[in-house]
Amino acid sequence: EVQLVESGGGLIQPGGSLRLSCAASGFTVSSNYMSWVRQAPGKGLEWVSVIYSGGSTYYADSVKGRFTISRDNSKNTLYLQMNSLRAEDTAVYYCASLIVGATSFSWFDPWGQGTLVTVSS
Amino acid sequence: DIQMTQSPSSLSASVGDRVTITCRASQSISSYLNWYQQKPGKAPKLLIYAASSLQSGVPSRFSGSGSGTDFTLTISSLQPEDFATYYCQQSYSTLYSFGQGTKLEIK
Repeated sequence: EVQLVESGGGLIQPGGSLRLSCAASGFTVSSNYMSWVRQAPGKGLEWVSVIYSGGSTYYADSVKGRFTISRDNSKNTLYLQMNSLRAEDTAVYYCASLIVGATSFSWFDPWGQGTLVTVSS
Repeated sequence: DIQMTQSPSSLSASVGDRVTITCRASQSISSYLNWYQQKPGKAPKLLIYAASSLQSGVPSRFSGSGSGTDFTLTISSLQPEDFATYYCQQSYSTLYSFGQGTKLEIK
């Protein structure tokens, strides 16, 4: 069974840094496209970042230059390094596998359970 | 960036009703459109991918249609477990984006 488990969330002061982890089981992170999606309290889903199997990375404008997505193949784990955190970064952060079908269409599945990041003084 | 706009933002319906949710993209995205269901405190769940393909295990009362800029998610006969928030999402661009969500509530 494919499973994603996030960790690393918590309370952090504005301007601080935090690293989120997403441990995968049942599939290989390095062979798949992996992404982070966040959801502010009471709000909708916001795509944050993606890392392709070849290593290319992309970011939402709202986090570009502050967040870095990476992976550790030996640990089969995805990461999100978050620097210069702001109050508006407060959200539940989900990791998700981005599946690419035979016809190049892609979708997020499965998703982890999420980890809450609260940026507040 | 591609903007995704859903309508309505909220909807009240009864068990057994037929419900349609609309999603519009700011530019043509072919059929690169997915639909997710999210219940409170839970991660989103994939329902429909590539605009009209039903994800394995999802009940056949869910269906998707559309291409280009206009898409719809239809629930043919609402069941109690379908009351949730629904999101569309485009995968045409590497800057993936979601609609703002449609909250489906019990009338």
